[in-house]
Amino acid sequence: QLQLQESGPGLVKPSETLSLTCTVSGGSISSHSYYWGWIRQPPGKGLEWIGSIYYSGSTDYNPSLQSRLTISVDTSKNQFSLKLTSVTAADTAVYFCARLTPGSGDGYTYDYWGQGTLVTVSS
Amino acid sequence: DIQMTQSPSSLSASVGDRVTITCQASQDISNYLNWYQQKPGKAPKLLIYDASNLETGVPSRFSGSGSGTDFTFTISSLQPEDIATYYCQHYDNLLFFTFGPGTKVDIK
Repeated sequence: QLQLQESGPGLVKPSETLSLTCTVSGGSISSHSYYWGWIRQPPGKGLEWIGSIYYSGSTDYNPSLQSRLTISVDTSKNQFSLKLTSVTAADTAVYFCARLTPGSGDGYTYDYWGQGTLVTVSS
Repeated sequence: DIQMTQSPSSLSASVGDRVTITCQASQDISNYLNWYQQKPGKAPKLLIYDASNLETGVPSRFSGSGSGTDFTFTISSLQPEDIATYYCQHYDNLLFFTFGPGTKVDIK
């Protein structure tokens, strides 16, 4: 059974860098079939797509975050990571990692998710 | 940018009721639309993909329809365990994703 687990600091100071890692178990992050992504949810609000990465390192980023965002992959550790620079209180959210799976046609779905981790931006 | 809207933002229905949620895209998105269920404190769960396909293991009381700009998500007979927030999600051929604002479903 595939499992994803987010890890990283729960508190980040304003203007600093938010760093999270997602560890994948029960499957290989190097599978040619899947992408891996990050989604966040501010407290009491809706879901926001952050970005995705392929095992090769190819990325897709939300244009609203692109200037501050880096997503990377470490296939040797079966992990992928998120770095968001110059954070503000608006970046306070639960951050989820998830597997992005292509469907039978042109479709893609996030079918496996981590439990999420709350990151608070505060001094 | 494609914008996704959902209505209603919240609803309250009785057990056994038929519940319908609509999702509208600001431009034609074909059938590039998924539906997710999120219970409080939990990660979202995929229910419907490509607008109308039921994910494996999801009860058949859930269904989706539509294409182009207008989509519908239906629970044919609301159950207590269906209390959750439901999100539509669009994806494009660049693998950019946009979520709708969500619809909170409660039991009356």
